[in-house]
Amino acid sequence: DVKVTQSSRYLVKRTGEKVFLECVQDMDHENMFWYRQDPGLGLRLIYFSYDVKMKEKGDIPEGYSVSREKKERFSLILESASTNQTSMYLCASKVGVSSGANVLTFGAGSRLTVL
Amino acid sequence: GEDVEQSLFLSVREGDSSVINCTYTDSSSTYLYWYKQEPGAGLQLLTYIFSNMDMKQDQRLTVLLNKKDKHLSLRIADTQTGDSAIYFCAGQPLGGSYIPTFGRGTSLIVHP
Repeated sequence: DVKVTQSSRYLVKRTGEKVFLECVQDMDHENMFWYRQDPGLGLRLIYFSYDVKMKEKGDIPEGYSVSREKKERFSLILESASTNQTSMYLCASKVGVSSGANVLTFGAGSRLTVL
Repeated sequence: GEDVEQSLFLSVREGDSSVINCTYTDSSSTYLYWYKQEPGAGLQLLTYIFSNMDMKQDQRLTVLLNKKDKHLSLRIADTQTGDSAIYFCAGQPLGGSYIPTFGRGTSLIVHP
């Protein structure tokens, strides 16, 4: 089974701190994604990556950056955390672009609280 | 781009059938998905349907697709308390990045 591992399940940070959220997948998937999930708003795509060192903005990239130095690892960075970034962050991966079914495999999520 | 709409809540009694509805806007969507999120967990794929199909059945799950009305539904037969979760509908656009667009999720609450 494909596994997507988010190393931090719960984090509490202070306003202005730099925050790193790490995600690792073990099935050689080309594509990786970061979403945030808020009640009533569902999943919103922050950034995605087609391949190593490649990144694309999603729907809500402001205040975030990403890094993909290795194929299996995709990091989400909050340069200066703010209280409105308190949320659940979900990482996902899938095989490369395909005209068939594009099934995403999700990690368990990282719940970030910014005080 | 694609918009996917779902109602936010559904409450059913244990043993009844649940029907979760979804509408989408992109008529060229090729695949439509249902994901389930249990409390404290990430999303897991439940099932998906290709756009040239009307129905797909998998044990207690039945997916109906009305392509003309751009309406998708998920029926869960004999709903159990373990089915309590958030259910997300997603539509996959044709071409481009093929990244599915998710609805806001429907919280299914099953009462004993």
